[in-house]
Amino acid sequence: DAGVIQSPRHEVTEMGQEVTLRCKPISGHDYLFWYRQTMMRGLELLIYFNNNVPIDDSGMPEDRFSAKMPNASFSTLKIQPSEPRDSAVYFCASSLGPGTSFYEQFFGPGTRLTVL
Amino acid sequence: QQQVKQSPQSLIVQKGGISIINCAYENTAFDYFPWYQQFPGKGPALLIAIRPDVSEKKEGRFTISFNKSAKQFSLHIMDSQPGDSATYFCAASSGGYQKVTFGTGTKLQVIP
Repeated sequence: DAGVIQSPRHEVTEMGQEVTLRCKPISGHDYLFWYRQTMMRGLELLIYFNNNVPIDDSGMPEDRFSAKMPNASFSTLKIQPSEPRDSAVYFCASSLGPGTSFYEQFFGPGTRLTVL
Repeated sequence: QQQVKQSPQSLIVQKGGISIINCAYENTAFDYFPWYQQFPGKGPALLIAIRPDVSEKKEGRFTISFNKSAKQFSLHIMDSQPGDSATYFCAASSGGYQKVTFGTGTKLQVIP
């Protein structure tokens, strides 16, 4: 398996533009997570899905952020409109469901977002 | 509210030395404590994990020590190598719950 795939790897945009980040989880994984990593706040969970259904979006900063998972192999995180403070590395991760010994999350390589 | 406190923020260790990273938590419902390792430009990857029914878990040069009464756990890296230079995150979750709370990370540098 290729692991979790994220695109784009780097994104530079101007304030006010819409940004869409994409993620393909590992095949067979039931859970998908979106994280944001910054120097100031560390690694923050934004939202996670179970079997394509959003379970907890309490980490989503505000209404400008939205996430979807239309099927088991694809998810998007959208920021509209983007602001400079959204600049961060965004990670997608996936994991197997209950029944496994440890709930290991497999992270993608991340998308480095810069909002000018 | 930060639920997992991690220290130190950065650490420099000589090759062959022992690296120690400490974490403390408040939520007594936490029952799964993983450590993740992150190299520059990469996503975090699970290194080792422990449940609170044991006080120690060892995998190669990496050991987790767990003190349930003190609500603290730590990562020890024995015989530290330059290849161990990375950022390490402790984390915690509860009840088979997939939502994992991460510490703020420790940037480890092992110098030759």
